[in-house]
Amino acid sequence: QQKVQQSPESLTVSEGAMASLNCTFSDGTSDNFRWYRQHSGKGLEMLVSIFSDGEKEEGRFTAHLNRASLHVSLHIREPQPSDSAVYLCAVKATGGNNKLTFGQGTVLSVIP
Amino acid sequence: DPKIIQKPKYLVAVTGSEKILICEQYLGHNAMYWYRQSAKKPLEFMFSYSYQKLMDNQTASSRFQPQSSKKNHLDLQITALKPDDSATYFCASSPGTANTGQLYFGEGSKLTVL
Repeated sequence: QQKVQQSPESLTVSEGAMASLNCTFSDGTSDNFRWYRQHSGKGLEMLVSIFSDGEKEEGRFTAHLNRASLHVSLHIREPQPSDSAVYLCAVKATGGNNKLTFGQGTVLSVIP
Repeated sequence: DPKIIQKPKYLVAVTGSEKILICEQYLGHNAMYWYRQSAKKPLEFMFSYSYQKLMDNQTASSRFQPQSSKKNHLDLQITALKPDDSATYFCASSPGTANTGQLYFGEGSKLTVL
């Protein structure tokens, strides 16, 4: 069964400094890796979805996938206080149905 | 304006009772899902529906029954409620069930069972 672990549990960065979040997974045959953000009391907002090894950039958010290392990361360029939220890594097994396995989340705080 | 409406946003129930969580999406999507987020646990997949048909069920208990009366509705009926059912239940939808279909989530219904 797929296991997804995120680190760190919480992260505080200053406005404008790069924020880096990590995610490891156990099933290397997974075919899609996504990062979501969840502001308090709100639904999930997808930030970036990556299928192949390498990088995928969506605005200030860049995902980096290394399937051999079972690792996917998210880098947030020039974070702002409005980026303070819980960031969730999600991994999809090969095939359809959008059945995602989520990590437990990283709480990001961006201080002015 | 939210395109996925979940009702109610908060609800409290007593052990043994039954509740229905409502979900409607106005995105024109064909697939709908339920996910659950319990305290101290990651968000977990429960059900997926496509064109009102059950595609996948990851919930062991038959106490959880999805109900799809219309293409853009997927309600969740929970019977014989237990305190362990306390969680935030998220409804989601996607244009299809393919790999690339982005999931859009509602804001959740937070259930507390006393």
